[in-house]
Amino acid sequence: DVKVTQSSRYLVKRTGEKVFLECVQDMDHENMFWYRQDPGLGLRLIYFSYDVKMKEKGDIPEGYSVSREKKERFSLILESASTNQTSMYLCASRSQVGTDTQYFGPGTRLTVL
Amino acid sequence: EDQVTQSPEALRLQEGESSSLNCSYTVSGLRGLFWYRQDPGKGPEFLFTLYSAGEEKEKERLKATLTKKESFLHITAPKPEDSATYLCAVRLRTPGGGADGLTFGKGTHLIIQP
Repeated sequence: DVKVTQSSRYLVKRTGEKVFLECVQDMDHENMFWYRQDPGLGLRLIYFSYDVKMKEKGDIPEGYSVSREKKERFSLILESASTNQTSMYLCASRSQVGTDTQYFGPGTRLTVL
Repeated sequence: EDQVTQSPEALRLQEGESSSLNCSYTVSGLRGLFWYRQDPGKGPEFLFTLYSAGEEKEKERLKATLTKKESFLHITAPKPEDSATYLCAVRLRTPGGGADGLTFGKGTHLIIQP
């Protein structure tokens, strides 16, 4: 079974804080993704990485950065959290070969006060 | 602009009452269409991938079909445990063939009443 884990289920931070969201997958997948999910807007792609140290902007990268130092780990960084970054954050991974399927983690619900 | 539209936004059925959820897409270069199920407060759970018009996939009470413009998720004799939000997403062909994300619809919130 593919397993994608995220470091926290719930997180509360203050405006201006630096926030790290961690994601780990155990299937040796090359590709990893960060999405945010908001009511009425659905899931939107923030950043993705197709291999270690590689990163590409998604549809809404403003205010975020990412880090992929190891194949199994993909971090999302909010340099200076703002209230409009309150959201559900979902990480996913996918193998570069074979199936196109993205497997999602359980999500981190981030609240910025 | 590439778009994925799901309908209805919400659907309430009685247990055993079959129905269909729709996902229409206007994209150039479809590489795959995906269906996920999402329970409240959890990450999406993969259900099906469809690649070409005419393709069908089945799993228990669910059956997904694909045409050139839309996909349907048919639910036959649903049970209360089928209650969830069902998400449709597309993956597009990229010129370089590299990695890319999914474009999601906003989902259909399905409630099955006992």
